[in-house]
Amino acid sequence: QKEVEQNSGPLSVPEGAIASLNCTYSDRGSQSFFWYRQYSGKSPELIMSIYSNGDKEDGRFTAQLNKASQYVSLLIRDSQPSDSATYLCAVNSDNYGQNFVFGPGTRLSVLP
Amino acid sequence: GAVVSQHPSRVICKSGTSVKIECRSLDFQATTMFWYRQFPKKSLMLMATSNEGSKATYEQGVEKDKFLINHASLTLSTLTVTSAHPEDSSFYICSASPGQTPTLYFGEGSWLTVV
Repeated sequence: QKEVEQNSGPLSVPEGAIASLNCTYSDRGSQSFFWYRQYSGKSPELIMSIYSNGDKEDGRFTAQLNKASQYVSLLIRDSQPSDSATYLCAVNSDNYGQNFVFGPGTRLSVLP
Repeated sequence: GAVVSQHPSRVICKSGTSVKIECRSLDFQATTMFWYRQFPKKSLMLMATSNEGSKATYEQGVEKDKFLINHASLTLSTLTVTSAHPEDSSFYICSASPGQTPTLYFGEGSWLTVV
């Protein structure tokens, strides 16, 4: 069974610090990797996607992928209280978005 | 990114009645849509995969006669909760992928309260 694991948290960081969120996955055939942010009472919102090994940066967010270790992470620089949310890691094993597996999510709390 | 819209965002219904939730892909065609439910502070739970023009595929433990899914067009899937009970109260979310890219986009979600 394909699995995606995340530390449920809560992960607490002070405002302005770097928040580091981690995710491991079991299916070596996974091809695409995503981070979604979900605020309380809202639906998930896509914030980053990554497809190849290495780092991908978008503003304050950096996604890191290591397929050999089956590990993907999300770094949030200069964390803001508005970043407080649950972050879902998602892994897809096809090219058409038909086979997503979600992790349970990590709850991040950024303290002012 | 692609846009997926859900309606209604909130609905209250009486026990024993049925309620329909719509999921639309606004700027792309979706042969497949997904329905999830989520209880407060809990993980997303995939309920079923909705396939345009054919029967939905339900996850283990999800009652197909209670949660009726219809995917009649390439831009619309509906979830009908039949004979609703208070334990069906939850946050229901749909998602879809444009297909050209392996990216999943979510609707805004629908809060169902059964009283």
